[in-house]
Amino acid sequence: EVQLVESGGVVVRPGGSLRLSCAVSGFTFDDYAMHWIRQTPGKGLEWVSLINWDGGGTYYSDSVKGRFNISRDNSKNSLYLQMNSLRDEDTALYYCAKGRNRVSWSFDLWGQGTLVTVSS
Amino acid sequence: DVVMTQTPLSLSVTPGQPASISCRSSQSLLHGDGWTYLYWYFQKPGQSPQLLIYQVSNRFSGVPDRFSGSGSGTNFTLKISRVEADDVGIYYCMQSLHLPVFGGGTKVEIK
Repeated sequence: EVQLVESGGVVVRPGGSLRLSCAVSGFTFDDYAMHWIRQTPGKGLEWVSLINWDGGGTYYSDSVKGRFNISRDNSKNSLYLQMNSLRDEDTALYYCAKGRNRVSWSFDLWGQGTLVTVSS
Repeated sequence: DVVMTQTPLSLSVTPGQPASISCRSSQSLLHGDGWTYLYWYFQKPGQSPQLLIYQVSNRFSGVPDRFSGSGSGTNFTLKISRVEADDVGIYYCMQSLHLPVFGGGTKVEIK
């Protein structure tokens, strides 16, 4: 059974940092690109970042570029999102999602999400 | 930036009746490789989204054949031939020709 389990979401102050993790099982992790996507009641679903199968390519939305860093450890079947200089508008439910192939811009399977709240 | 516009915002459907959701993109989603990068996702209440349709008209694994996708260029449609209670939730279109962008969603309810 495929599982993607996010963790690391907490309440953090504006300007703070946070690292999200996504533990994966049930598929060959290093055969697929991975994504982070976030969801808020106000802005809906927003794609955040993509990392290729080997970590050789990373991409970000304009809203997080320069503040967030995506990475992966294929030996640990894990995906990460380092979030720095957090803003109120980063408050969201963050999902990790499996790409459809090694360099895919689309995704097929999602985790259950981890909630990040940025508040003073 | 590509803008994805879905209509209607909400839909109330009698079980067994069909439903149709439209999605329009501000730019053509046809890639030079011949594929069109338009997807449909479905989010049940309290759950994470799930892939229904990829590249306009291909059902993802396990998706019932009641669901079908069509369209080209900038105009796309998701159809449910016979709505069931389990179809209640929010449907999103998404393009991935450029940086992925989702539509605002269409909420489907049962009458």
